[in-house]
Amino acid sequence: LAKTTQPISMDSYEGQEVNITCSHNNIATNDYITWYQQFPSQGPRFIIQGYKTKVTNEVASLFIPADRKSSTLSLPRVSLSDTAVYYCLVGLYSGAGSYQLTFGKGTKLSVIP
Amino acid sequence: GAGVSQSPSNKVTEKGKDVELRCDPISGHTALYWYRQSLGQGLEFLIYFQGNSAPDKSGLPSDRFSAERTGGSVSTLTIQRTQQEDSAVYLCASSPGRVLSGNTIYFGEGSWLTVV
Repeated sequence: LAKTTQPISMDSYEGQEVNITCSHNNIATNDYITWYQQFPSQGPRFIIQGYKTKVTNEVASLFIPADRKSSTLSLPRVSLSDTAVYYCLVGLYSGAGSYQLTFGKGTKLSVIP
Repeated sequence: GAGVSQSPSNKVTEKGKDVELRCDPISGHTALYWYRQSLGQGLEFLIYFQGNSAPDKSGLPSDRFSAERTGGSVSTLTIQRTQQEDSAVYLCASSPGRVLSGNTIYFGEGSWLTVV
């Protein structure tokens, strides 16, 4: 069964760099990898998207190895306001050959003062 | 509009009643998605509309759930004979095209459904 895997939770102190990895063994060949941030009682918000290698924007960096079977979201110098749930989104091929857009189960990041 | 709009934002209904949830996507977006999120849980795919193609209904949990998209714009998710396990946030999202070809998916703030 095609799926993505993320750590359930992570803790970090303010000012530290946080790396969250998502595993996606059956990623579709031509699909991008996207990460979202969700605060309580809000819809998910786009953070960053990439296809391969490294992408950086004003909020985060995304590292994707050559085989694209995983991706790592990197948040530099986190602050208390980065406390949220982070989801990866990829297109995956199932065992039956069908394609499905799949969110990870989310990683709850808690930033500690 | 500026973003994906959903209504109602909150709905409390009695078990066994039908409910309709509305989604107004970003103007011009051809793709529209419905997801369900139970308290403290991840995002569960329900249904996907892309242009005039037949929708992907593979995520609908039972035949009590249905959705339509009229005129390629507004969508309505209908839950018939609601059950307590249907209580969740129902999130709608839209994107300019196929989301994982470089297009970004934008979410609404959700419709919070409580079945009592």
